[in-house]
Amino acid sequence: EDQVTQSPEALRLQEGESSSLNCSYTVSGLRGLFWYRQDPGKGPEFLFTLYSAGEEKEKERLKATLTKKESFLHITAPKPEDSATYLCAVQASDSWGKLQFGAGTQVVVTP
Amino acid sequence: DAGVTQSPTHLIKTRGQQVTLRCSPKSGHDTVSWYQQALGQGPQFIFQYYEEEERQRGNFPDRFSGHQFPNYSSELNVNALLLGDSALYLCASSPSQGNYGYTFGSGTRLTVV
Repeated sequence: EDQVTQSPEALRLQEGESSSLNCSYTVSGLRGLFWYRQDPGKGPEFLFTLYSAGEEKEKERLKATLTKKESFLHITAPKPEDSATYLCAVQASDSWGKLQFGAGTQVVVTP
Repeated sequence: DAGVTQSPTHLIKTRGQQVTLRCSPKSGHDTVSWYQQALGQGPQFIFQYYEEEERQRGNFPDRFSGHQFPNYSSELNVNALLLGDSALYLCASSPSQGNYGYTFGSGTRLTVV
């Protein structure tokens, strides 16, 4: 069965203090790995899709990387508005549309 | 460009009742998926609809059912509500062709008392 484990569960950062979130996964063939940001009481907001090991994508202060077993979301010089829960999800190659999510990492950035 | 819209935003139901949640997909998207998200957890896949049929289903009981209409909008029905059904219900839409991406709505917060 597909599994996604995110660590740490929670992260508290000072503004400007860079860090990385981890997403470890097991899947029977990877169609795609997704990163989402979720604010309290809201739906997940799409950040990135990664398809193969070695792939990297960037958006503002965020950079996502992918290996065969895990993905990292690097947050460079975070600002308070980066505070959110970051969710990782995988879609198996034999899946029509099911995304298997991890429990998320809650990030708080203080001024 | 309207994204995914869900209604209602909040709902309180009594145990044993039935509920219907609604979703309009993003323009250009023809596939709709439903997820249940308990507090502090990641979303759990309920099912996906495409061409008005259930295409894939997660590990949810038959009390959870759905429907997709010709205009691609969708409904999620839950019968015989349990206290444990209290959660945020999310709808996600995607295009069936081309580069796919899953766009989520803001969800419906269901409270069962």
